[in-house]
Amino acid sequence: NAGVTQTPKFQVLKTGQSMTLQCAQDMNHEYMSWYRQDPGMGLRLIHYSVGAGITDQGEVPNGYNVSRSTTEDFPLRLLSAAPSQTSVYFCASSFNLGGNTIYFGEGSWLTVV
Amino acid sequence: QKEVEQDPGPLSVPEGAIVSLNCTYSNSAFQYFMWYRQYSRKGPELLMYTYSSGNKEDGRFTAQVDKSSKYISLFIRDSQPSDSATYLCAMSLTGNQFYFGTGTSLTVIP
Repeated sequence: NAGVTQTPKFQVLKTGQSMTLQCAQDMNHEYMSWYRQDPGMGLRLIHYSVGAGITDQGEVPNGYNVSRSTTEDFPLRLLSAAPSQTSVYFCASSFNLGGNTIYFGEGSWLTVV
Repeated sequence: QKEVEQDPGPLSVPEGAIVSLNCTYSNSAFQYFMWYRQYSRKGPELLMYTYSSGNKEDGRFTAQVDKSSKYISLFIRDSQPSDSATYLCAMSLTGNQFYFGTGTSLTVIP
């Protein structure tokens, strides 16, 4: 059981470049989300999805775009990378919106230079 | 004021000690309380989950929720070096958004 899988694990980008962080889950979870984790700030919600075709913004959505075409996949796109987006990104999922607990992927370490 | 406050530590204890980790929160409507453990360079993993007030025990771990004081705790008995990690508290009203503490770094010294 793979759980929540994120790729890539490490990435270095130049300012202004775009890229996509991939997230896939094999638990048939409806609810998926993206967080970023920064020192002293904790985990902050970027975007989330309650099912295929439905997405919404979280606490820090600016500079990021998401889509949900299938139940399994929830990619996060950085449109024009900025140094402020240097962070660790975690994808998470739960069975449904009221699932009460969420399960995280292993993380993607992104550095923007 | 942050929704959830957590002392970042770091906390260092000898092996076998009892560890107490705590979070306070401001929103009295929170109903779901969780503790996650995060090892270095890894994603958070769910450790304990509690609904509403009360205690929950799982092996060496005990989670306590005091809604009247808006205070939650995680106790680790007979701490082991393998418990060295960052511990995150998390809370939710109905499961549609989770609020996380910043994490407490724990080191258990053999």
